[in-house]
Amino acid sequence: DQQVKQNSPSLSVQEGRISILNCDYTNSMFDYFLWYKKYPAEGPTFLISISSIKDKNEDGRFTVFLNKSAKHLSLHIVPSQPGDSAVYFCAASSSGGYQKVTFGTGTKLQVIP
Amino acid sequence: DAGITQSPRHKVTETGTPVTLRCHQTENHRYMYWYRQDPGHGLRLIHYSYGVKDTDKGEVSDGYSVSRSKTEDFLLTLESATSSQTSVYFCAIRPGFSGNTIYFGEGSWLTVV
Repeated sequence: DQQVKQNSPSLSVQEGRISILNCDYTNSMFDYFLWYKKYPAEGPTFLISISSIKDKNEDGRFTVFLNKSAKHLSLHIVPSQPGDSAVYFCAASSSGGYQKVTFGTGTKLQVIP
Repeated sequence: DAGITQSPRHKVTETGTPVTLRCHQTENHRYMYWYRQDPGHGLRLIHYSYGVKDTDKGEVSDGYSVSRSKTEDFLLTLESATSSQTSVYFCAIRPGFSGNTIYFGEGSWLTVV
């Protein structure tokens, strides 16, 4: 049972435009959400996170939005740059227990110059 | 840099042979994790550790065992490697100051022939 879902395997965006990556989750116990970026042959790197007490978190060109009622979050990248081309993983965890982090299947973003 | 060293970085092994992957950290973090990454599956948790000699199973633990005899090392063992265990393996740590954010190593590429 996939608790974190990224339904778009890939996305292509023109340089300078906005990239929107989406993620849905099913477990209502999740209260902390993260985005990771992964280049080929490298480990995933942490990008941005959001707690369930917020609905938006911004860090430079990256903004994450959380809609708890819809169990949906999105990552906005503005403006998109060719160096943003990578696989993006959405992830979620809950405060209880050992705070295991559950990942989605990833979305491959291609930013076209 | 998460201060994680994974070894070996690349390995080819034969079906039925045992394989051990090592994750070494230098910051005395309590929590350590092993994930595998496969196309279409994202990152899936194999095992995790919340202290020396304290380990537990993740969502894809069959065929794997772990050991943590000291804080800095978390070992993942494939007792009898199978072709389905061909994958990229990532170790991760969770610093105490980071909330639920985990940080990954560079990965170990394992091919079982």
